[in-house]
Amino acid sequence: AQTVTQSQPEMSVQEAETVTLSCTYDTSESNYYLFWYKQPPSRQMILVIRQEAYKQQNATENRFSVNFQKAAKSFSLKISDSQLGDTAMYFCAFRGAQKLVFGQGTRLTINP
Amino acid sequence: EAGVTQSPTHLIKTRGQQATLRCSPISGHTSVYWYQQALGLGLQFLLWYDEGEERNRGNFPPRFSGRQFPNYSSELNVNALELEDSALYLCASSLMGLAGERGFNEQFFGPGTRLTVL
Repeated sequence: AQTVTQSQPEMSVQEAETVTLSCTYDTSESNYYLFWYKQPPSRQMILVIRQEAYKQQNATENRFSVNFQKAAKSFSLKISDSQLGDTAMYFCAFRGAQKLVFGQGTRLTINP
Repeated sequence: EAGVTQSPTHLIKTRGQQATLRCSPISGHTSVYWYQQALGLGLQFLLWYDEGEERNRGNFPPRFSGRQFPNYSSELNVNALELEDSALYLCASSLMGLAGERGFNEQFFGPGTRLTVL
């Protein structure tokens, strides 16, 4: 069974700083997708960034980028120039053949 | 274009009762997914419906069930409610399901239904 682990329950940084959220996963599949979802206090979950396992190049979406280390089964999210609107729960997720498996989340607070 | 909608926003029940939660997917989406988000446990996959059929279910007891209607909307039923069923229930929809295809179809989430069991 696939598992996703986020070891940082909470993080807090100052506005404009860079922050990295950690995620590790366990799977025996070779083809899969990895995602970071954001859940702001309003609770509507939105997709931030995704990575296909067969791609070596790390995905980037504006201020959000990932560090995908397939051998180490690590998938961290870097947020550059953090903004107050980045305050949210962040979930790492793995998608293999059948379903989406989520980590327990990291509560990120951006302080002014 | 309207997003995924869920009703009710909040639901309060007592132990032993039944709860019915509803979800309307984005127009054109055929797959609906249900997740339970209990405090401190992240999101746990409950059920996946596609084209009116249950395609997969998570590790939950049979008292969690549901269905998908011809218009692709979906209903989640929780029978014999227990205190630990208190959680935020999220619905998501996508263009097509996961099984048998290796592509990516983004799941779009609704705002959730907060179920409280007293």
